[in-house]
Amino acid sequence: ETGVTQTPRHLVMGMTNKKSLKCEQHLGHNAMYWYKQSAKKPLELMFVYNFKEQTENNSVPSRFSPECPNSSHLFLHLHTLQPEDSALYLCASSQQDREVPGELFFGEGSRLTVL
Amino acid sequence: KNQVEQSPQSLIILEGKNCTLQCNYTVSPFSNLRWYKQDTGRGPVSLTIMTFSENTKSNGRYTATLDADTKQSSLHITASQLSDSASYICVVSKAGGYNKLIFGAGTRLAVHP
Repeated sequence: ETGVTQTPRHLVMGMTNKKSLKCEQHLGHNAMYWYKQSAKKPLELMFVYNFKEQTENNSVPSRFSPECPNSSHLFLHLHTLQPEDSALYLCASSQQDREVPGELFFGEGSRLTVL
Repeated sequence: KNQVEQSPQSLIILEGKNCTLQCNYTVSPFSNLRWYKQDTGRGPVSLTIMTFSENTKSNGRYTATLDADTKQSSLHITASQLSDSASYICVVSKAGGYNKLIFGAGTRLAVHP
């Protein structure tokens, strides 16, 4: 148990569906992240929220829409996805000290399959 | 270009044997280097974090080394166990930005009985 909880763990959706991934952290951290992990590729940073404000959007397509209602919850809204979006989506949190990246604590991931 | 290269891509060893995983990076300016263990279908878990001034750091049977001059790090696993089977990811933090973490593609380790 890392203190970061992701739901659902597995999701299968069609290209026309709308779904959401949820992440909750119980560590009192001030920063939350979404990463995409495809097979045999490095983790790709998608979004960063620091103190609930989005501070990074790493050229992610608009079919991925993040939402951070408070410092402990993070959502990733999905719509009209493509099969190449199938991947493991990891949420992480950290305690940021000025501009120094704190240690990342990852959730277990949401395995997404787009048909 | 800021890059993190890991080798080998995959490795198979017998239970009880030692192994060493390599990480070379070109990230600059350097802040710290991290090793993560990721079990299949799970999220990565931190093993060690090393700053510029640290040459070696241990966490149980895991020992990480860092040579900041040659920009190389290694992760040594002693007396491997079946539970060590996982991907090991090297991550280098670039100084000056809280989101500047450069990830390697990982080494996939399989420990066989």
